[in-house]
Amino acid sequence: QSALTQPRSVSGSPGQSVTISCTGSSSDVGGYTYVSWYQQHPDKAPKLMIYDVTKRPSGVPDRFSGSKSGNTASLTISGLQAEDEADYFCCSYAGTYTWVFGGGTKLTVL
Amino acid sequence: QVQLVQSGAEVKKPGASVKVSCKASGYTFNAYYIHWVRQAPGQGLEWMGWINPNSGVTNSAQKFQGWVTMTRDTSITTAYMEFNRLQSDDTAVYYCARVKDEYTSSSSLNYWGPGTLVTVSS
Repeated sequence: QSALTQPRSVSGSPGQSVTISCTGSSSDVGGYTYVSWYQQHPDKAPKLMIYDVTKRPSGVPDRFSGSKSGNTASLTISGLQAEDEADYFCCSYAGTYTWVFGGGTKLTVL
Repeated sequence: QVQLVQSGAEVKKPGASVKVSCKASGYTFNAYYIHWVRQAPGQGLEWMGWINPNSGVTNSAQKFQGWVTMTRDTSITTAYMEFNRLQSDDTAVYYCARVKDEYTSSSSLNYWGPGTLVTVSS
């Protein structure tokens, strides 16, 4: 079970939009609608930002949105703010009741 | 409010075992699966497995089968993850996390414990 592929880093200026991709296969990302995204600040536990590809938990700003096309899921953050600087991880159901995470993407707000 | 409180940091020698606990409160323990996720220093998240607190049934990633055991004690609403034959590359923060939806493992993780650092060093 290989980790999902994410860019190591992305960056953007305050107010801009950035998109983080998460590429898997038809056995995980492409085969199910169970893709989630987690935000992690240094030395903190991850926080759920998007679930079931496009849904936002209560309390997560609508600047965060998710989508999927084929075997690639994406997280878009619009109107970047300084507090968005963090690591972001995607996660997908991978069949037989197992899950797989992406390698993580470091978002820098310039 | 939902809380997951994990046991404290551990230092172990190679070949030893460790048992990490995850005390849950603020919800019906039996209704929500608990997953375990680890993160090596400076690395990404790695899914390890889950336990159904209601039945005790578990499932884990293939690489952990045979040397990671997940259990629970419903009387004290606590889940456990035990690792055998620790190696240096098992040094990581180990997180427990609760799923968002009742009675299913196929749900995202919306409550996380603070993590337990396990250091394996001779």
